[in-house]
Amino acid sequence: DAKTTQPNSMESNEEEPVHLPCNHSTISGTDYIHWYRQLPSQGPEYVIHGLTSNVNNRMASLAIAEDRKSSTLILHRATLRDAAVYYCVGGNAGNMLTFGGGTRLMVKP
Amino acid sequence: DVKVTQSSRYLVKRTGEKVFLECVQDMDHENMFWYRQDPGLGLRLIYFSYDVKMKEKGDIPEGYSVSREKKERFSLILESASTNQTSMYLCASSTRLAGVIDTQYFGPGTRLTVL
Repeated sequence: DAKTTQPNSMESNEEEPVHLPCNHSTISGTDYIHWYRQLPSQGPEYVIHGLTSNVNNRMASLAIAEDRKSSTLILHRATLRDAAVYYCVGGNAGNMLTFGGGTRLMVKP
Repeated sequence: DVKVTQSSRYLVKRTGEKVFLECVQDMDHENMFWYRQDPGLGLRLIYFSYDVKMKEKGDIPEGYSVSREKKERFSLILESASTNQTSMYLCASSTRLAGVIDTQYFGPGTRLTVL
């Protein structure tokens, strides 16, 4: 199982960068690292995923450690709408995605 | 936009009742999933289906069954509801790329209360 470990909660100020860490020391060489977020009263939504290289999209950046045992989701400028639970998820075609408890991000104005 | 809909946002049932939770996706996705979400436990996979009439057990299948008669529809069945099945139930779908788990698209969830 590609189990992940994340802090239960983090706080950020609005318009400041946020770095959300994730440990996934048991991840296999073929497991992708996915990030989802869940806004209040909604289902989770996809944020970003990667395998070995750092990845960027319009929502966030994903920095993956060289040994792939950890990764960091980077929100470049947090807004109040980014307040959510962020899930770091490991998985590949052979193993379904396993969601852990996630990190609750609070953004202060 | 991909749309995953679930038949109810809120549902209240009594112990012993048979409960059906319906999920429909409109993107012709091969894979469909049922999760339950409980405080402190994150999302846990109950069952998934990778094709019509095909199903696989997830991490916590006990007390649940599923049905997939059409590609767009995936049903979760609680044969005899119990109070410990009070939870938020989330349905998701994804396409299937060779060797990759593609992005999962989630519905809004059904909050089920069993009295």
